[in-house]
Amino acid sequence: DAKTTQPTSMDCAEGRAANLPCNHSTISGNEYVYWYRQIHSQGPQYIIHGLKNNETNEMASLIITEDRKSSTLILPHATLRDTAVYYCIVRALDDKIIFGKGTRLHILP
Amino acid sequence: DAGVTQSPTHLIKTRGQQVTLRCSPKSGHDTVSWYQQALGQGPQFIFQYYEEEERQRGNFPDRFSGHQFPNYSSELNVNALLLGDSALYLCASSSGAGIEKLFFGSGTQLSVL
Repeated sequence: DAKTTQPTSMDCAEGRAANLPCNHSTISGNEYVYWYRQIHSQGPQYIIHGLKNNETNEMASLIITEDRKSSTLILPHATLRDTAVYYCIVRALDDKIIFGKGTRLHILP
Repeated sequence: DAGVTQSPTHLIKTRGQQVTLRCSPKSGHDTVSWYQQALGQGPQFIFQYYEEEERQRGNFPDRFSGHQFPNYSSELNVNALLLGDSALYLCASSSGAGIEKLFFGSGTQLSVL
């Protein structure tokens, strides 16, 4: 079973920052937080991952709370092409990646 | 550099038949994972292959089996197909264990009639 809780859907205006929350209150000390997204008719795409520090790459930023029980994925300037299902996943290094139902993000023009 | 390639893209079978799906991993990757995605659901983990051995397995019956070849490509076999096996089957590749990122193919859409 997925170890995370995400809202079913969210809307965001084009050009604004999209902030996607994820709760993982039972996360263990050796588990990482991963984010993937799945655009319609494609396979999931890796976005970012982190352990306890905030992370940023060319796609997004990941903010993890100090107690590590929740995190937020930030897409700084959302475009229509960011419309997708976003999956938050927690896993240990050698464990399988288990997807939940994710958040369906709609970017509004 | 080709990414993860899967074949065929679409397939139609009837109940009771057997099917084989194929996957070629991204260049440099040695680990292949298979997922089943029903309509409106997240991908469900079937199993993972590394060094030609099944390393991890999800909650799927023995009708689902796989194989990995020396060139790291992989096959997913499903026997005695049921209507409920209709789904998108995704293959993902990665490089060994550790903090690996999965790279997914576009999947094979299987319809069982």
